Amino acid sequence: GAVVSQHPSWVICKSGTSVKIECRSLDFQATTMFWYRQFPKQSLMLMATSNEGSKATYEQGVEKDKFLINHASLTLSTLTVTSAHPEDSSFYICSATQREPYEQYFGPGTRLTVT
Amino acid sequence: AQSVAQPEDQVNVAEGNPLTVKCTYSVSGNPYLFWYVQYPNRGLQFLLKYITGDNLVKGSYGFEAEFNKSQTSFHLKKPSALVSDSALYFCAVNYGNMLTFGGGTRLMVKP
Repeated sequence: GAVVSQHPSWVICKSGTSVKIECRSLDFQATTMFWYRQFPKQSLMLMATSNEGSKATYEQGVEKDKFLINHASLTLSTLTVTSAHPEDSSFYICSATQREPYEQYFGPGTRLTVT
Repeated sequence: AQSVAQPEDQVNVAEGNPLTVKCTYSVSGNPYLFWYVQYPNRGLQFLLKYITGDNLVKGSYGFEAEFNKSQTSFHLKKPSALVSDSALYFCAVNYGNMLTFGGGTRLMVKP
């Protein structure tokens, strides 16, 4: 149980275009979903927290207009990288919580490369 | 604010030898502590957690960790390392339902 999927697993896009990444909880309803960013050989940095039906809470330094997060249902959250630039290239990982709010289940990640 | 430190960027160990990956934390109140493992281009896999109870926590793949409140540590251990244990390991503390990760430690197990 408690499986989280992400789609796509990897994506290459051109500079200036937008990319949408989906995060789904497959066998549970997620009260909260989190989006992380990971640079090569570095740790995970929390970008934002989202609850179903409400606006996401962004961490300091994360541009809300660039990284649009939508949490439309209890099983789906999306991250849209708008007007992508090469510096947005990174590994994006989502996670979701179930009953216990302190326990996060992680997706497999999405590798974004902006050319 | 909570923080997690993993003092070693990399740990090298020979297959069959015991391994330790160190983690110290700083948080007010009682910490919820976690260890995760990450293989290349993959998400995080849960290894074990400490919430309350016994200080020695046993987890997946033969790993265990010992919570030491006086030293504010939560070191990850395994009695006999396998080559397949080679990966990136993250310690994390949950406070206020937010996870804060350490910088990660790369474990290299050589045959």
